[in-house]
Amino acid sequence: EVQLVESGGGLVQPGGSLRLSCAASGFTVSSNYMSWFRQAPGKGLEWVSVIYSGGSSHYADSVKGRFTISRDNTKNTLYLQMNSLRTEDTAVYYCARDLVGWGQGTLVTVSS
Amino acid sequence: DVVMTQSPLSLPVTLGQPASVSCRSSQSLVHSDGNTYLNWFQQRPGQSPRRLIYKVSKRDSGVPDRFSGSGSGTDFTLKISKVEAEDVGVYYCMQGTQWPWTFGQGTKVEIK
Repeated sequence: EVQLVESGGGLVQPGGSLRLSCAASGFTVSSNYMSWFRQAPGKGLEWVSVIYSGGSSHYADSVKGRFTISRDNTKNTLYLQMNSLRTEDTAVYYCARDLVGWGQGTLVTVSS
Repeated sequence: DVVMTQSPLSLPVTLGQPASVSCRSSQSLVHSDGNTYLNWFQQRPGQSPRRLIYKVSKRDSGVPDRFSGSGSGTDFTLKISKVEAEDVGVYYCMQGTQWPWTFGQGTKVEIK
């Protein structure tokens, strides 16, 4: 069974950092394209980043230079390193496999 | 960026009746490879998003055949032939043709 479990969310002050994890089971992270999306409270969906099987990645302009997507093939886990966090980064963050399978999300709150 | 505009934003429907959501893009979604990367997602209350349709009209595995997608170029439509109670939620279109990937604002489907 394909499963994605996000973790690492929490409360952080503006300017701080967090690393989100997305543990995958039932498939190989490196063989698919993996994405991060986010949803601010009461708002719509926003694409954040994607990493392809070959290793290339893309970012939304709003996070470029601050966020880094990566994966650990030995742990079959996707990551999102988030630096220089802003209040507008507050959202539930979802990882997804090929846009089809989504995790349950992890809440990131950026506030002083 | 490609702007995705959905209408209506709220759609009250009667059980068993059809429903239709429109999605228009600010630029053609035809990719240089000939494909049109237009997706439809469903987000039920309190749940993660789920993709229903990809490449305009292809249904994902397990998606009931009452859901259908159509359109071309810049105009796209998601139709539900006969709305059921489990179809309540917010529906989003998303383009994956140009960077950055972008979503429509979402259409909230509710039962009258």
